[in-house]
This record gives sequence, C-alpha cells and structure tokens, in this order.
Amino acid sequence: GESVGLHLPTLSVQEGDNSIINCAYSNSASDYFIWYKQESGKGPQFIIDIRSNMDKRQGQRVTVLLNKTVKHLSLQIAATQPGDSAVYFCAEIGANFGNEKLTFGTGTRLTIIP
Amino acid sequence: GAVVSQHPSRVICKSGTSVKIECRSLDFQATTMFWYRQFPKQSLMLMATSNEGSKATYEQGVEKDKFLINHASLTLSTLTVTSAHPEDSSFYICSARDRWTLSYEQYFGPGTRLTVT
Repeated sequence: GESVGLHLPTLSVQEGDNSIINCAYSNSASDYFIWYKQESGKGPQFIIDIRSNMDKRQGQRVTVLLNKTVKHLSLQIAATQPGDSAVYFCAEIGANFGNEKLTFGTGTRLTIIP
Repeated sequence: GAVVSQHPSRVICKSGTSVKIECRSLDFQATTMFWYRQFPKQSLMLMATSNEGSKATYEQGVEKDKFLINHASLTLSTLTVTSAHPEDSSFYICSARDRWTLSYEQYFGPGTRLTVT
C-alpha cells in the first residue's frame, strides 16, 4: 500500500554539525510534503514544506530536498543546536482534489550531542 | 497567529467513563479540523476529519460510536472518548486548517494526554 516512511529511526549529531534526515515515499501522486518537529509531550510544529513541482526549498537553517525520481525527501538542518533535539516527521498529502489528509512517516529521533 | 489550543492537556479517568477533549482555533476560523492519536514512540495516526456543521469522516478501523466528534462552530471541535478503556490511553492531537487560506497547512494543538486506569 501507499506509505511514507523514514530510513533511520534515530540520529545523533554533534552540536554545530549539519544533520540530514531522510524520508521515502511510495505514492508517486503525492503533491505536497511537510516536515514537522515534535518535542516530547507537545504537538507537531511546522518546519518547512515543498510542493511536487519543486526540488529544493530553503528556510532558516533548514533545507528540504525532493527527488521525485526515487521518491525521496530529505531535511537538512545546518549548524545544529541543542534545541533541535526532537522527533522529526515527514508528511505528505496526495494530489486528489479535496483530499487534505496528512499521512505521517514513522519519525526520526534527532539527538544533538553537546 | 494560527494558534490551536486543546483542553485539557492531561486527563486521568476510570475505565468505563467518558472523556471530552476540546480543540479550539484561537485566531482563525476552521471549517475542517483533524483528530490524531499517537501512541508512545509511534507516529501520528489520523482518526477522523471533523467538518463544521456536518458529520465527521472516520478513518478505517476507528469506531465512530466510541470516538464521538462534534464540530459545532468554526472555532471548536470536540472529541469524546466514550466508555474509555486502558487501551484508549494515548496522546490525542488535533489540527485545524484556516478556512480562508488555500494552503494545505494544518496548525496543530499541543495535544491531550489521556490515561485510563
């Protein structure tokens, strides 16, 4: 079936280094992708999004790359800080008009080592 | 802007009782709200889509008679867990879409931790 998943469940990065979190999706009709950050006991927080007609989008310290050929999405966080420690989820919305449901990936726990 | 609140943040109830969780969009109107459930160390799973003024749409496997959803206004949706059991213990999260934006973005609430004893 269709799914959105992540390659690695955990990732540890030294403070100040860059981190890359990966996500694979299987629905070739996926139209819109979002990365969320979730801290313990809190709701997801929007980080950055990208539409299927783009292959790269940058925000503050974050970059999302989309490779539609291999159905792969990544989130790059530059110069990581302790506050970046959290679980990161990718999510996708299909291209069906009116289908606004988000499908979440399994999540990657990012730990920043001081 | 675009703040979503949930009440209560934590609730403990006895098995067999019902619990109501509120989701409010504080500074925008939402014709559509979503309810998710998240078990420990797992991802968010959509339970239902709440539509203002009409019946909610439930995902496959979610019992609509157990998880009652009411979206009576453009800023409030409620989820009532009826006859709660320990296996219903989970983190319940709502989200809302701004009715006036063309964006797909959903604004998430802070979640409600339900513990059924």
